Order: sequence, then C-alpha cells, then structure tokens
Amino acid sequence: NAGVMQNPRHLVRRRGQEARLRCSPMKGHSHVYWYRQLPEEGLKFMVYLQKENIIDESGMPKERFSAEFPKEGPSILRIQQVVRGDSAAYFCASSPLGGLYSNQPQHFGDGTRLSIL
Amino acid sequence: QQQVKQSPQSLIVQKGGISIINCAYENTAFDYFPWYQQFPGKGPALLIAIRPDVSEKKEGRFTISFNKSAKQFSLHIMDSQPGDSATYLCALENFNKFYFGSGTKLNVKP
Repeated sequence: NAGVMQNPRHLVRRRGQEARLRCSPMKGHSHVYWYRQLPEEGLKFMVYLQKENIIDESGMPKERFSAEFPKEGPSILRIQQVVRGDSAAYFCASSPLGGLYSNQPQHFGDGTRLSIL
Repeated sequence: QQQVKQSPQSLIVQKGGISIINCAYENTAFDYFPWYQQFPGKGPALLIAIRPDVSEKKEGRFTISFNKSAKQFSLHIMDSQPGDSATYLCALENFNKFYFGSGTKLNVKP
C-alpha cells in the first residue's frame, strides 16, 4: 500500500500522559500536514512540515503540542500532558510539492483516533 | 475565524436524485477548491477539484460549479447512489494551507 500510513489507528491515554502519533507520507512526498477533526466538525489545520523543517505551525496550540518530520523516519505529532479536550481524530496528509507549487491535492491517511480517559 | 461555510449539514436524497452541497467563502486569496469524500473510520479522499479560472468541472456523476463573483462553489452529484452515502468536505487552498468546511453528511436512500 503506497498510501499515507498512520499509526496507531486507535490510541487511549489517561489524562497527563503523552501521546505520540506517527505518519509516513506517500512514497515520493516530502510535505506533511497534520489536521484535527472533532466529532461533527471539519478538519482543522494544525501544522505543515517538510523534512527537518516546520513551514507553518499557525494551527498548533501553543502549549503541549509539537511536531517533527526528521530526515529519516515518519513525522511525529506529540501531545504532552493530554487532557480530555484532546480527544479527536488526528489526520495526516502528504503532497509531493509545496511552497510556490500550490494547487496540489493532499492525500490523507486514515487517521489516529485519540481517546483520553 | 471560519474561512469557509458549508451547507447543508446533512442531506437525504432518494436513489437516482441529485445531491447538491454548497460552500461559501470570504477571502479571495484562495486558488484551489477541492472536494473530499470521507467514509466512517477513513481519511478524506480527493473527489474532484477546480481552479478559479474555470466555472464548471465535471467528472462522471460529479460536477463542481464555481461562482467567483459570489464567492461560492457547489458540488452536484447526479444519479445519486447508496454507495455515495458519506461525508463530503469542501476545502480552500492557498500555498498548501487547506481550510475545510464543516462537512455534509449525505444519506442516499435506496
């Protein structure tokens, strides 16, 4: 399967724990985007990354949330000290080009459903 | 700040009917208008997209109509089928940043 791979599909954490969500983009894609989807709501942009660079993090909460896309390996969305309000579906998307090459469709993974007890 | 407003929130259509979903936006800086289809438990999948220099685009049973002056675009699904039952998301794009509508849950009755 050459699509965007996200894992785990489901993640349960207790309040105060850390959550790590992983995303492997499609082969040949070097741009990764993270979105959050709350029940009955659309997708909300969180962060846009290229390899080793954060391009736009304007949608990320200022505290507890961080993202990285290292030179090797998947992109990681990290949520520290999780709270009940962090419960949501987190989707990752990738595209082959970015920056000045806009109008590129983003290809989505099937998401990670995060539940906070 | 909500960049795009999508309506209706839910839609029930009989098999063979036409499904129409609308989106309106304010900012004119966007230059790519995709529609995504999302099934329960799955990620959104690109359905069809349009650029603002085109007023209409058709792919099979799916058509996007774009009204630049009114800042509106809509998705029409002709001959709707039960397999089309899903959530449909419109989006706006500007330099790789996507803004999504809140989604329309379509139910096509057999």
